[in-house]
Amino acid sequence: EDQVTQSPEALRLQEGESSSLNCSYTVSGLRGLFWYRQDPGKGPEFLFTLYSAGEEKEKERLKATLTKKESFLHITAPKPEDSATYLCAVRSNSNSGYALNFGKGTSLLVTP
Amino acid sequence: DAGVIQSPRHEVTEMGQEVTLRCKPISGHDYLFWYRQTMMRGLELLIYFNNNVPIDDSGMPEDRFSAKMPNASFSTLKIQPSEPRDSAVYFCASSLAGGVDTQYFGPGTRLTVL
Repeated sequence: EDQVTQSPEALRLQEGESSSLNCSYTVSGLRGLFWYRQDPGKGPEFLFTLYSAGEEKEKERLKATLTKKESFLHITAPKPEDSATYLCAVRSNSNSGYALNFGKGTSLLVTP
Repeated sequence: DAGVIQSPRHEVTEMGQEVTLRCKPISGHDYLFWYRQTMMRGLELLIYFNNNVPIDDSGMPEDRFSAKMPNASFSTLKIQPSEPRDSAVYFCASSLAGGVDTQYFGPGTRLTVL
């Protein structure tokens, strides 16, 4: 069975203090790794999809990378508006069709 | 586009009552997903549809849960009878066939079963 573990559970940064969130996974044949952002009281919002080790994607202050065992979401010079919960999910050969298996997320707080 | 629409946004009911959650996907989307989110278990896929047909319902916790999609613009998730352990936030998401990697989530329904 697929396992997705995110760390840390919570992270507090000062504005401008760069850091990384980790998503480690154990799957049978990765078909995609996904990052979502979730604000309080809202549904998750899609950020990135990565398909193969070595792949990287960027969006503003966020950069996602992928290895064969884990993915990192790097946040460069974060701002308070980056505060949210970041969710990682995988799709694998053990899922049917388009099912996603989500981690429990990392809650990020960026203070001014 | 208005995005995925869910109703109600909040539902409080008593144990044993029937609960119906509603979802309107983004127009033109072929896939519809129902998820449940709790602190303990995180975000879990319950069931998903393709062109109104249920494809995978292996995440539905038990027979008390049922989902339907009578047409391309409407889906329901029903719990009968409800139990306190069903308390959670239920999300609906939709996606295009050619871009199923991007799922667009609704705002969710917060269900509390007393």
